[in-house]
Amino acid sequence: DTGVSQDPRHKITKRGQNVTFRCDPISEHNRLYWYRQTLGQGPEFLTYFQNEAQLEKSRLLSDRFSAERPKGSFSTLEIQRTEQGDSAMYLCASSLGQGAQYFGPGTRLTVL
Amino acid sequence: DAKTTQPTSMDCAEGRAANLPCNHSTISGNEYVYWYRQIHSQGPQYIIHGLKNNETNEMASLIITEDRKSSTLILPHATLRDTAVYYCIVRVEGDDKIIFGKGTRLHILP
Repeated sequence: DTGVSQDPRHKITKRGQNVTFRCDPISEHNRLYWYRQTLGQGPEFLTYFQNEAQLEKSRLLSDRFSAERPKGSFSTLEIQRTEQGDSAMYLCASSLGQGAQYFGPGTRLTVL
Repeated sequence: DAKTTQPTSMDCAEGRAANLPCNHSTISGNEYVYWYRQIHSQGPQYIIHGLKNNETNEMASLIITEDRKSSTLILPHATLRDTAVYYCIVRVEGDDKIIFGKGTRLHILP
């Protein structure tokens, strides 16, 4: 257990529905990252926050995706109008400044 | 794209040392070598990182060649719980993202 928690661990939804995932980082970590991982591939960077500011977004993050970190603590990742191609493991990581990133257990999304 | 090359898979007998190689011939002077592993259905786990000196912690040792173009992660006494995908990554410390390749799938054999 790295101290990064994610909720839910699994989510099954129907195409077109909206879903929201939550990540609670290690408490003193000021940076928070979201990654996506599909079967057989390494994780791919989506976006990251330093405190409450979202500083970078990957081009993988389409307009249907939005992430927030309103008070610089927990973060949410929302996917609107889900598509089957959104099925993946969504991973959250946190770090203290420029240090190593520590990952949570992930949320596995299945879009039917 | 990932800037490292790793074997797709490796086997190691339980109790033996597992030596995982990584090539990073285009590494820059300010780039660190990081290792993560991912056990099935879990998030990646940080193992170790280094710049040019060899590093050791409670999990593993990292040996970096003098020219820094390759490195080896050593798990000194592999157990079945070390079966995982191991990712070798080069990044400037403080970079906002980690770029993962496909890693090495390590099987520890009983």
